[in-house]
Amino acid sequence: QVQLVESGGDVVQPGRSLRLSCAVSGFSFSDHAMHWVRQAPGKGLEWVAVISYKGNNEYFADSVKGRFSISRDNSKNTLYLQMNSLRSEDTATYYCAKDRVTFGIGEIDYWGQGILVTVAS
Amino acid sequence: AIQMTQSPSSLSASVGDRVTITCRASQDITGDLAWYQQKPGRAPKLLIHSVSTLQSGVPSRFSGSGSGTDFSLTISGLQPEDSATYYCLQDCNYPYTFGQGTELEIK
Repeated sequence: QVQLVESGGDVVQPGRSLRLSCAVSGFSFSDHAMHWVRQAPGKGLEWVAVISYKGNNEYFADSVKGRFSISRDNSKNTLYLQMNSLRSEDTATYYCAKDRVTFGIGEIDYWGQGILVTVAS
Repeated sequence: AIQMTQSPSSLSASVGDRVTITCRASQDITGDLAWYQQKPGRAPKLLIHSVSTLQSGVPSRFSGSGSGTDFSLTISGLQPEDSATYYCLQDCNYPYTFGQGTELEIK
């Protein structure tokens, strides 16, 4: 079955960097776009970024544009989120998520269990 | 960015009731609208995509409808396990945007 396992969450100081990873299994990773979505404590869902199945197209939320980057290694079935210049408002549970569409970008159908990132001094 | 206005923010209903949650987009999103269910401490689960297509394994008491800017999720014959927060998502334009969520309590 589809599995997405995030790692790399931590407590970091404002202005520092952190990289999240997401190891996937149970589907053909290289055929699907992948997303990151976050949820601040007690708040709603916020879409963060998407990367196309080939890794040649990326789109970001305005709140993270220029600070976050998304990448993937199709040979390792792994998705990444590089987060730079972290702010307190980036504190959230970060979900790695699979796109439902094959060879395109659509909606999310499967989610990881989430990983907590806390930005605090 | 497209704004998704979801209502109500919370509601309470009884087992067997029919409830409707709505999402209004700030511009036409054609048929690119999905609905998710999230239970406390859990990842969201896809219920419906493309406005009205039920995801595999989702009970048929869930249904979606709408077009253009106005969309709805209906749950017919509420069950205790439907207690959750529900979100809409537009995947028409980047950045994707979620509604604020609707917390559904089963009395």
